[in-house]
Amino acid sequence: AQSVTQPDIHITVSEGASLELRCNYSYGATPYLFWYVQSPGQGLQLLLKYFSGDTLVQGIKGFEAEFKRSQSSFNLRKPSVHWSDAAEYFCAVGSRDLSSGSARQLTFGSGTQLTVLP
Amino acid sequence: DVKVTQSSRYLVKRTGEKVFLECVQDMDHENMFWYRQDPGLGLRLIYFSYDVKMKEKGDIPEGYSVSREKKERFSLILESASTNQTSMYLCASSLLTGVVLNSPLHFGNGTRLTVT
Repeated sequence: AQSVTQPDIHITVSEGASLELRCNYSYGATPYLFWYVQSPGQGLQLLLKYFSGDTLVQGIKGFEAEFKRSQSSFNLRKPSVHWSDAAEYFCAVGSRDLSSGSARQLTFGSGTQLTVLP
Repeated sequence: DVKVTQSSRYLVKRTGEKVFLECVQDMDHENMFWYRQDPGLGLRLIYFSYDVKMKEKGDIPEGYSVSREKKERFSLILESASTNQTSMYLCASSLLTGVVLNSPLHFGNGTRLTVT
């Protein structure tokens, strides 16, 4: 069974500082990996996804993530954090439908709450 | 723009009541999902559906059932609500496109259910 670990429950950074949110996964094959963001009172929004190819993927809002197979990690980064980035961030791994190759369902991590100081 | 609408933002129900949570999407998506979100546990999949009248259990189906009579609507049913089902419930949908899932999950804003 697949699983996702986000070791940091809460991270606080100052506005303008760099950010890295950690994500480790467990999955028997090449995973489909995702980062979602949830603003207060909202549903989740996709930031970026990795399916194959280039291990450094770019997403919306200036975020990027790097897939490292040797470390089973998919960490999310942003070079300069804005106050509007304060939210909860979820990493997810997709299971692959063997017949079609598509990601059919996602397993989510427990989330990392980001606080941005002015 | 895809819209996933959950009929209630907040619900308060009593123990033992039958509870219906409704979700409607307007983009003809094949896939629909119900998750519950609890602090420190992230999102856990309850049930999902790939087509009308089709359903599959997720990771925590106990105490829940679902109904998908129409493609755009996916209902979560708590047959006899209990206090441990107090949670935030999130509905999501996605379009299955070809070999690779190009369409992300689109989430509703959630229903916060309190069972007293």
